[in-house]
Amino acid sequence: DVKVTQSSRYLVKRTGEKVFLECVQDMDHENMFWYRQDPGLGLRLIYFSYDVKMKEKGDIPEGYSVSREKKERFSLILESASTNQTSMYLCASSLLSSGSFTGELFFGEGSRLTVL
Amino acid sequence: GENVEQHPSTLSVQEGDSAVIKCTYSDSASNYFPWYKQELGKGPQLIIDIRSNVGEKKDQRIAVTLNKTAKHFSLHITETQPEDSAVYFCAASREGYSTLTFGKGTMLLVSP
Repeated sequence: DVKVTQSSRYLVKRTGEKVFLECVQDMDHENMFWYRQDPGLGLRLIYFSYDVKMKEKGDIPEGYSVSREKKERFSLILESASTNQTSMYLCASSLLSSGSFTGELFFGEGSRLTVL
Repeated sequence: GENVEQHPSTLSVQEGDSAVIKCTYSDSASNYFPWYKQELGKGPQLIIDIRSNVGEKKDQRIAVTLNKTAKHFSLHITETQPEDSAVYFCAASREGYSTLTFGKGTMLLVSP
């Protein structure tokens, strides 16, 4: 059974703290993604990666960075957390898309971050 | 870039009724349109998708229709059941691209 695991379901951090959100997939997928989900705003792409050590900015990368040192692991980093980064963060993975194929996204269960 | 509009934002139906969720997209080059379902406390999961060389696709009680001329696609759920209650997201992409642009989601509530 395919699995995307996010290490923390709930986190509470203080303004200015450095925050790491970890995601691991066991499907040998090339692509990994970080989305942010907010009520009324849907799913917005923060960063994605199509290979180890590769990263691409999504629609809302400001205030975030990512790390992909191993194929199965993709980390989202908030260098200095702010209250407007309070949100649900979703990690996803997919097979590399090419030609007429777009890979299905497999999502983790999400990490709800509260920044006080 | 692509922009996907989704309506309605909330939809309440009685069990057994049909439900329809509609999306429009802006990029005429988009040709892949998946639908994801997110149950409470879980991540979204793909339930059906359609490609631009097809006008309609069915899978049991769910169907998706696509009108490329109008840049419009819809999800139809027939004989709704309480377990259909969830948030549904439409998305659009060019086939072969890894990233999707999602709509803002529709919360569907099916009352017994």
